[in-house]
Amino acid sequence: QKEVEQNSGPLSVPEGAIASLNCTYSDRGSQSFFWYRQYSGKSPELIMFIYSNGDKEDGRFTAQLNKASQYVSLLIRDSQPSDSATYLCAVSGGGADGLTFGKGTHLIIQP
Amino acid sequence: KAGVTQTPRYLIKTRGQQVTLSCSPISGHRSVSWYQQTPGQGLQFLFEYFSETQRNKGNFPGRFSGRQFSNSRSEMNVSTLELGDSALYLCASSRDVAGANVLTFGAGSRLTVL
Repeated sequence: QKEVEQNSGPLSVPEGAIASLNCTYSDRGSQSFFWYRQYSGKSPELIMFIYSNGDKEDGRFTAQLNKASQYVSLLIRDSQPSDSATYLCAVSGGGADGLTFGKGTHLIIQP
Repeated sequence: KAGVTQTPRYLIKTRGQQVTLSCSPISGHRSVSWYQQTPGQGLQFLFEYFSETQRNKGNFPGRFSGRQFSNSRSEMNVSTLELGDSALYLCASSRDVAGANVLTFGAGSRLTVL
């Protein structure tokens, strides 16, 4: 059974600092990796996805993938109070394979 | 550009009843997936449809079923409702470009089973 593990938190980070969110996955055949953000009472929204080992940057967000260690991370630079949300890591084998989600990390940015 | 539309947004049912939820994907998106979200289990994959065919199914009992119409709209049905079926049901659509599985979620249908 495919599993995605995340620390549930809460992870508290001061405003302006770097927030680091981590995720590990069990299926070595996983090909696609996603980070979603979910505000309380709202549906998940995609932040970014990554397929290849290494880093991928998009604005204040950087996703890091290490397939050998089966590890994905998301860095949020210059954290803002509006970044306070639950961050969901999701993994897919590709194609029609459904996403396997972690249970999410609750991030709190302290003003 | 309209997003993924789910109806109804909220509903209350009693045990043993059945429920049908509807999802209209983003225009041009041909793949529709359904997920169940609960506080205890998180987001879990139910099934995925493409061109009116179910391509993949998660680990849910046969009481959970779905279908997709020729216009890509999708419905899911849960029969013989149980208390544990209380959850947020999320529909997501994607363009289904090869090698990608980027989902856009709807606002969800919150089901309460009494």
